[in-house]
Amino acid sequence: AQSVTQLDSQVPVFEEAPVELRCNYSSSVSVYLFWYVQYPNQGLQLLLKYLSGSTLVKGINGFEAEFNKSQTSFHLRKPSVHISDTAEYFCAVSTFTGGGNKLTFGTGTQLKVEL
Amino acid sequence: GAGVSQSPSNKVTEKGKDVELRCDPISGHTALYWYRQSLGQGLEFLIYFQGNSAPDKSGLPSDRFSAERTGGSVSTLTIQRTQQEDSAVYLCASERGSQETQYFGPGTRLLVL
Repeated sequence: AQSVTQLDSQVPVFEEAPVELRCNYSSSVSVYLFWYVQYPNQGLQLLLKYLSGSTLVKGINGFEAEFNKSQTSFHLRKPSVHISDTAEYFCAVSTFTGGGNKLTFGTGTQLKVEL
Repeated sequence: GAGVSQSPSNKVTEKGKDVELRCDPISGHTALYWYRQSLGQGLEFLIYFQGNSAPDKSGLPSDRFSAERTGGSVSTLTIQRTQQEDSAVYLCASERGSQETQYFGPGTRLLVL
């Protein structure tokens, strides 16, 4: 079984400042990694995913994440945030072991961007 | 519509009643997932459908929960004899194929009184 830990439940940051949202995972097999964003009263939207290849993954809205196998981490970063980035962010893993792409989610990090 | 749609958007029911939640996936997507988002448990996988294969029901929390997918398209999640702990947002997602992106619907917010 796999698990995901998002250490920060809330991250306040000023507009135009950089931000990092932390994600660590645990799994006995190779994993695929995802970051999703959820705006209020909306469903989840994929920001980026790591399946294989380059460990630095670029996503939508200027976000990027780096897969670090030795540290079992997949931290999300953005060099300069906007007010519109205020939302909840979820890190997720899957293993594609015959059961489709069942996602195991972390508990989420609420990003609040302030003026 | 181009995205995944779910209905109703909100549902209030009394404890003990049955409810049905509907998901319309993106046309042509062969895989469909149900997840539950609750304050106590976060986001949890419930059930997975792929084409005409038998569904993966490993995430269903009890036998009061069931789901079906008719004609490889629309899916219905049924909760029988609802309990207050069933209150949550139920999210549906569809996926075109293996290792593809899951597209989520806006969810159905269920409140059991």
